[in-house]
Formats: sequence, C-alpha cells, structure tokens
Amino acid sequence: KNQVEQSPQSLIILEGKNCTLQCNYTVSPFSNLRWYKQDTGRGPVSLTIMTFSENTKSNGRYTATLDADTKQSSLHITASQLSDSASYICVVSSDFGNEKLTFGTGTRLTIIP
Amino acid sequence: DTGVSQDPRHKITKRGQNVTFRCDPISEHNRLYWYRQTLGQGPEFLTYFQNEAQLEKSRLLSDRFSAERPKGSFSTLEIQRTEQGDSAMYLCASSYGQGYNEQFFGPGTRLTVL
Repeated sequence: KNQVEQSPQSLIILEGKNCTLQCNYTVSPFSNLRWYKQDTGRGPVSLTIMTFSENTKSNGRYTATLDADTKQSSLHITASQLSDSASYICVVSSDFGNEKLTFGTGTRLTIIP
Repeated sequence: DTGVSQDPRHKITKRGQNVTFRCDPISEHNRLYWYRQTLGQGPEFLTYFQNEAQLEKSRLLSDRFSAERPKGSFSTLEIQRTEQGDSAMYLCASSYGQGYNEQFFGPGTRLTVL
C-alpha cells in the first residue's frame, strides 16, 4: 500500500527561526513529490513539485529536497514568519498522470512571536 | 478571482438527508478531482474527471456518493442518506492536460452531519 509519512506531527517555533519538516514515502512507481501548504479551513496550495531527477527546489523561503534513493524529502523554511503557520502536506504521485496522489497527514507548524 | 470555487463553503445537515456540493474549476482545466479530508488527516482521493468522463473512483466512494461533470465544466458531488461519518471537508481541485501538472485546490466545503 502506498504511504506517505510526515514528521513531526506538529512543531512550534519562534518567529524568525528556521525549521525542517520531513517526509518519508513508500509509493511505487514514483512520478513526482509535492509539498503543499494548507491554512486552516482552506484548500492546499502548492509550494514545490519535484520529479525523480530533481534534488532540490526553492520557492522563496521554502526549499524542498528529494532523495529518491532513500525515498525521503524535506521542506526547509527559512526566517519563519507568522503567516507560515499552517499545515504542510507532503504528496507523492505514483503515476505520470497526477490522478494518483497519496497525501501525508501533514505537519502542523505554529510560529509564535 | 479565477481560482477553483466551491459552493457552499459550509453545510450542516441532519443524518439521512441528501446534500449536493458544486465545484467550478479554473476555466479550460480539463481535469477535475474530488477529495475528502477529515480533521488532522491529509486529503483522500474520491474521484476524478477528464472533461465529462469520470475516469476513476475510489473505493471510499460508496453507493451513496455520486459525482457528475455533465458538460465538462463544473462538477457536483451528491451524498445521499448522509451519515455522521460523512462529516468532513470536501475538496475539489482542477488541472490542465495530463502528466506532471499542478492541481489547484478550491477552498473546500465543510460538511457537518448531525
């Protein structure tokens, strides 16, 4: 069964600090891995998409890494802001088409002033 | 706003009632997806359409659930004889083309079954 596991389940950090969220997956075949940000009560918003051949991808203060050999990914947030408070969901596509997405349960990040 | 829209945003119903949700994708997006998300969990795939054709349905989609996309534009998701376990956020997403294309999510419809 395809699975995506994320850690930690929740994280609280001070504004301005950096943090790293982890994602391990057992999805086969692998097409691409995405990180989404989901604010409470809203739909997820895409941050990054990486294919097998990409090791890292940045989107502003967000940097995602992918190790396809160990099936691990991380999302690093630099200089956190209060608006970064949200759930961050790791999603893996097991098909060239994006209709077979396996979602992780997310990491709930809270930034405190 | 040209994003994915969903209506209603919130729905409270009594057990046994039928409910229908609507999703309007980004125009010209040919793929449309429905997901269900319960509290503290990631979204779970329910079904998806390419144009008006429903190409895949999850086993989560019981006989009480039906989805349509009659003209290949907006879609509806109907739940008949709602149960308390149906309480969740129902998310719609759309994408263009096939392959490695981003799905854009709507704000979701929060269903509460009393």
